[in-house]
Order: sequence, then structure tokens, then C-alpha cells
Amino acid sequence: DAGVTQSPTHLIKTRGQQVTLRCSPKSGHDTVSWYQQALGQGPQFIFQYYEEEERQRGNFPDRFSGHQFPNYSSELNVNALLLGDSALYLCASSRYREGHNEQFFGPGTRLTVL
Amino acid sequence: SQQGEEDPQALSIQEGENATMNCSYKTSINNLQWYRQNSGRGLVHLILIRSNEREKHSGRLRVTLDTSKKSSSLLITASRAADTASYFCATAPSGGYQKVTFGTGTKLQVIP
Repeated sequence: DAGVTQSPTHLIKTRGQQVTLRCSPKSGHDTVSWYQQALGQGPQFIFQYYEEEERQRGNFPDRFSGHQFPNYSSELNVNALLLGDSALYLCASSRYREGHNEQFFGPGTRLTVL
Repeated sequence: SQQGEEDPQALSIQEGENATMNCSYKTSINNLQWYRQNSGRGLVHLILIRSNEREKHSGRLRVTLDTSKKSSSLLITASRAADTASYFCATAPSGGYQKVTFGTGTKLQVIP
């Protein structure tokens, strides 16, 4: 049983560019949440997708957008990249009907913006 | 913004000793979770304690929760070098689904 997978592992972009990160949830999970983790900080909640809709959103600008597909996989898009967007981006999956139970995290995508 | 604050920020102990990390949070919670992260990789879920529970054990881990003080502690007994990692507490709010908020983390180093 594959866990949560994310691609790519590492990514280098320049300011102003756009990036798309991908996540496949753990088998049996229907909810995907995205987090940004700056160096030395805890993960910050970006948003959560369930039934192909954004259900909750953290304090992130509209440059951050996402999508969930019918197979529950998800994408995170960031437009007009800033140097401050450099971080580890983590995807977590869970079962929506189980509410507040544990989330399973992927290994993350390390984004560097030059 | 970070909901939780871990204390201490960094901890260095000898193998075999116990490690205690504390977490304080600000708002009402449904549950509190502890995660481990090795070298900036993905997080591993360790234990979840619900707001109506006061203590929970899992192997060498012991978690306590004091909702009146809005605080939790994680105790790792008989530490091993493999326990070296960053530890985060995360809170799930009352009345909301899975908008988990992480603290700032404690960096634990276990010296062989």
C-alpha cells in the first residue's frame, strides 16, 4: 500500500515564474491538505481539498491555488513566485468523514526560488 | 500563524535519558497531535490525544494534555540516537475539520 507521494522532489525556479506541485494521497483517503514549511519553522496550512473543492484555506494570497482530481490526487500551483516562497511544500492526506484524525504526510517538495 | 509554541526550541541529551518537550496553544481544540520530522523530510504522526483525554501512551512515548492550561507534553523514555529529529505539536480546532495548526517545533539531538 503506497503512502502519500509527491512530485517533484526538488525544484528550482526564478522569481516571477509559476510552479505546479503534485500529490497522490494514500489509498483510501479522499482529502488532501497542503502545507508550506519554511526553514526552521513549523508547517503552515495553505488549503484543503475534498470532493474537488477547496474546503478550508489558511492565510495565503491568491497566488496560491490548487486543484483536486476525481482520483483524489491534487496539485498546488503558485504564480508570480517570490524569493519568500522558497520552502518545503508538504501534502497530507486523510479521510474527510473521520474529521480530526491523523493525517499522513508525503516526503515533500523542496522549492527554491532564485 | 503558529498556534502552538514548543519548549524548549532545542534539546540535547545522552542516549538512554528521557526527553521532555512541551507545547502551549491558544484556542480550544478537538485534539492535539505530535509529529516527528527527520532532517526536513515529511512528518510522521506519533500520537493523537483528544481534548477529553489527559494522558496517552504509545511504546516509549507518553503524552499529557491539560486543557485548562492549554498545554501538552511529550515524554520520550530511554531515548535512542534514532530519536534525533524535530518534534512538532499540532492542534485541530473545535468545530472545524482538519485545519491542523502546527507549532514551532523542538529540535532533539540524542548523543550516542
